[in-house]
Amino acid sequence: LAKTTQPISMDSYEGQEVNITCSHNNIATNDYITWYQQFPSQGPRFIIQGYKTKVTNEVASLFIPADRKSSTLSLPRVSLSDTAVYYCLANTDKLIFGTGTRLQVFP
Amino acid sequence: KAGVTQTPRYLIKTRGQQVTLSCSPISGHRSVSWYQQTPGQGLQFLFEYFSETQRNKGNFPGRFSGRQFSNSRSEMNVSTLELGDSALYLCASSAEVGLAGAFNEQFFGPGTRLTVL
Repeated sequence: LAKTTQPISMDSYEGQEVNITCSHNNIATNDYITWYQQFPSQGPRFIIQGYKTKVTNEVASLFIPADRKSSTLSLPRVSLSDTAVYYCLANTDKLIFGTGTRLQVFP
Repeated sequence: KAGVTQTPRYLIKTRGQQVTLSCSPISGHRSVSWYQQTPGQGLQFLFEYFSETQRNKGNFPGRFSGRQFSNSRSEMNVSTLELGDSALYLCASSAEVGLAGAFNEQFFGPGTRLTVL
């Protein structure tokens, strides 16, 4: 089963770019990588999903190298409201979430 | 379009009791997944239902069970509650057929916080 590993926590300041990396070994050929954001007392919310290379939407970018053993979520110019826990998910049949990275954004 | 709803939002039970949690997916979504979230173990996958059939199951004991109805609404049941079952139980729905592979954005509900005393 694919296992994902993320840093436990990260700190940043408003306006900075934040990059959170997730390692995922044994990921299957056709599996996608998905990132979710979770605020306290709420369910996770979808941020972005990708298979390889780079994907960008209105809130984030996702970089996945050719070997697909890791992925990096990039949040441009974070704000205080981006303080949350971010989960990397390897879309295997067991839907294995990573340990989550607690991002704290300071003013 | 209404989001995923879960009832009840909060529940207090005692050891040995059983509990049933309910999840109503987004209209049109046929896949419903359940997760347990605890501070120590994080988000763990319980099971996933599609068209009233359980397609995938996580590594939880048989005390945890679920079902899905023809209208895609789902329930999960936990029997013989233990203190360690105290957690936030999250339900997620998606429209796509498969979980692995192609885009399958899941929409999560607010969860049911279960406390076992």
